[in-house]
Amino acid sequence: DIQMTQSPSSLSASVGDRVTITCRASQGISNYLAWYQQKPGKVPKLLIYAASTLQSGVPSRFSGSGSGTDFTLTISSLQPEDVATYYCQKYNSAPPFTFGPGTKVDIK
Amino acid sequence: EVQLVESGGVVVQPGGSLRLSCAASGFTFDDYAMHWVRQAPGKGLEWVSLISWDGGSTYYADSVKGRFTISRDNSKNSLYLQMNSLRAEDTALYYCAKAKHTYYYDSSGYYPFDYWGQGTLVTVSS
Repeated sequence: DIQMTQSPSSLSASVGDRVTITCRASQGISNYLAWYQQKPGKVPKLLIYAASTLQSGVPSRFSGSGSGTDFTLTISSLQPEDVATYYCQKYNSAPPFTFGPGTKVDIK
Repeated sequence: EVQLVESGGVVVQPGGSLRLSCAASGFTFDDYAMHWVRQAPGKGLEWVSLISWDGGSTYYADSVKGRFTISRDNSKNSLYLQMNSLRAEDTALYYCAKAKHTYYYDSSGYYPFDYWGQGTLVTVSS
């Protein structure tokens, strides 16, 4: 099975900072990569799919890039409401639809 | 408005059984594959199972294969997860989630999850 890793596992940044989270697949997954945001005590929310397509209603400060095995989620200007754990997920070919271990983002 | 409402979570003893339900509304249920995802307390997300739009194909995580069974009743807009031989490590919040695209969207067949329920808590403990 394809394994998903994320780095860093946590980060603390100031409001307005540019934040980048990396996700790596153990094998190539083309662009079948999604990012989810889970705020404390809340349900996961789809942010980005197909590696770089913004889900409807998601602020444009979120962006995604990558293909194959290496992917990034970028928050161009961190806002207080972005405090959350972010998960990547692969959904290419057959299951399992593995999630990464998550990156916890908070405000410095 | 899409709504997914899970139910059935309780405290159950190790080795016991449980059936979770997910009631769907606000979309054409039988056009979409559906998933179960779980989250142990303080831990990350773990995909559990997938069922195709018509119930003809099912898939499971290795951690639950042979113990859990996913099913759906399209006439009732409902998704189910039958959980047998429960273990302490199955303790988690169980979410149902909807595939983003219909089964006829394209040839890839697999899509991310665009709507999630609020979850139902399963606790396996003696």
